[in-house]
Amino acid sequence: SQQGEEDPQALSIQEGENATMNCSYKTSINNLQWYRQNSGRGLVHLILIRSNEREKHSGRLRVTLDTSKKSSSLLITASRAADTASYFCATDYKAAGNKLTFGGGTRVLVKP
Amino acid sequence: DGGITQSPKYLFRKEGQNVTLSCEQNLNHDAMYWYRQDPGQGLRLIYYSQIVNDFQKGDIAEGYSVSREKKESFPLTVTSAQKNPTAFYLCASSPGGASGELFFGEGSRLTVL
Repeated sequence: SQQGEEDPQALSIQEGENATMNCSYKTSINNLQWYRQNSGRGLVHLILIRSNEREKHSGRLRVTLDTSKKSSSLLITASRAADTASYFCATDYKAAGNKLTFGGGTRVLVKP
Repeated sequence: DGGITQSPKYLFRKEGQNVTLSCEQNLNHDAMYWYRQDPGQGLRLIYYSQIVNDFQKGDIAEGYSVSREKKESFPLTVTSAQKNPTAFYLCASSPGGASGELFFGEGSRLTVL
């Protein structure tokens, strides 16, 4: 079952704008990860945030984690047309035993 | 270059046939995974293996089988018992442990005619 839920399911923005997407989960985690998938391709790892961390940055990406609300957000700043893709959160649940559970994804369209 | 290779990229199958999807990695990773992705959906775990000669069922293992005879190889067989096999199949590997980051192949798209 998919324990992570992304919101929104789809997002359309203009180049240069920021894109924010959220992920909610249900039980205690070891870490939460974000992945990107271009159409018809494999997933690419973007960033991992551990349960004792609150915020991480990587280039134009900023991820936050609020364990009290069981939620995470991914912010892409100054978006580019090349950022058009689907973005997935994946949770490493403590009870799951070293396997990730993926959400349904957010489809992001960046218009030039 | 190090990475994960899936083959074939596209595969067509008649109903009632078994097919095997190949997944090879040269990253020296201990853990390997198979996921299924349906259109517009997220990934669902089929099988995973954390060490050679051992594997566990994921959330949707029915109608699938795997083997892990070598560290670098984790083939997936889609059997005739899988009722709706048309999907995009993704293989991944991980160094295991606390890292957790998955490295994915480019996927295999299976269509049942």
